[in-house]
Amino acid sequence: DAKTTQPNSMESNEEEPVHLPCNHSTISGTDYIHWYRQLPSQGPEYVIHGLTSNVNNRMASLAIAEDRKSSTLILHRATLRDAAVYYCILRDVRGTSYGKLTFGQGTILTVHP
Amino acid sequence: GAVVSQHPSWVICKSGTSVKIECRSLDFQATTMFWYRQFPKQSLMLMATSNEGSKATYEQGVEKDKFLINHASLTLSTLTVTSAHPEDSSFYICSAEKGRMNTEAFFGQGTRLTVV
Repeated sequence: DAKTTQPNSMESNEEEPVHLPCNHSTISGTDYIHWYRQLPSQGPEYVIHGLTSNVNNRMASLAIAEDRKSSTLILHRATLRDAAVYYCILRDVRGTSYGKLTFGQGTILTVHP
Repeated sequence: GAVVSQHPSWVICKSGTSVKIECRSLDFQATTMFWYRQFPKQSLMLMATSNEGSKATYEQGVEKDKFLINHASLTLSTLTVTSAHPEDSSFYICSAEKGRMNTEAFFGQGTRLTVV
């Protein structure tokens, strides 16, 4: 699986937007970009995924660079419940690694009241 | 959304005993489930792929005789940690997907195993 690079930690204030970056310079054309987050003492939770175009859902937005070598997860208004470890993961669309997720170290997001 | 449930949420056992952890997909069938392990302040590491009706596939370095996986039905996979030792203390997490080709993965809430 192609490797991703994320900052170890980020901080935000409540109700402010948060931009979580992810670099994936070795991404291949068949790799989707997935984001998961893990709250303390819980299993990971799916956030969003995309291939080339920007994506929005009720949780977040995903902005993908034109060359696809980086992406940014955007939380539009951070809440205290968004404090978690955020993982950026590449998954091959060909499904050869169906279901397997290779987790990096992720970004620890701290949200201040 | 789909739900994957693990049981128990936490367990404390004595060194040398065995512990079974269950992972259930509550509202969908999962021919494949995955087991991860997470040590404190570390990321998740895939241990094995659980295949319904066939043998599990273990990642390199994971002892198959120590971590027994059974996937007897389309909604249940079990992980048994045999002859547990303190170094096996960890957070064990399972996951499953409803379909193929880049659908989202659903994770259980995790099981905290403490071996004393």
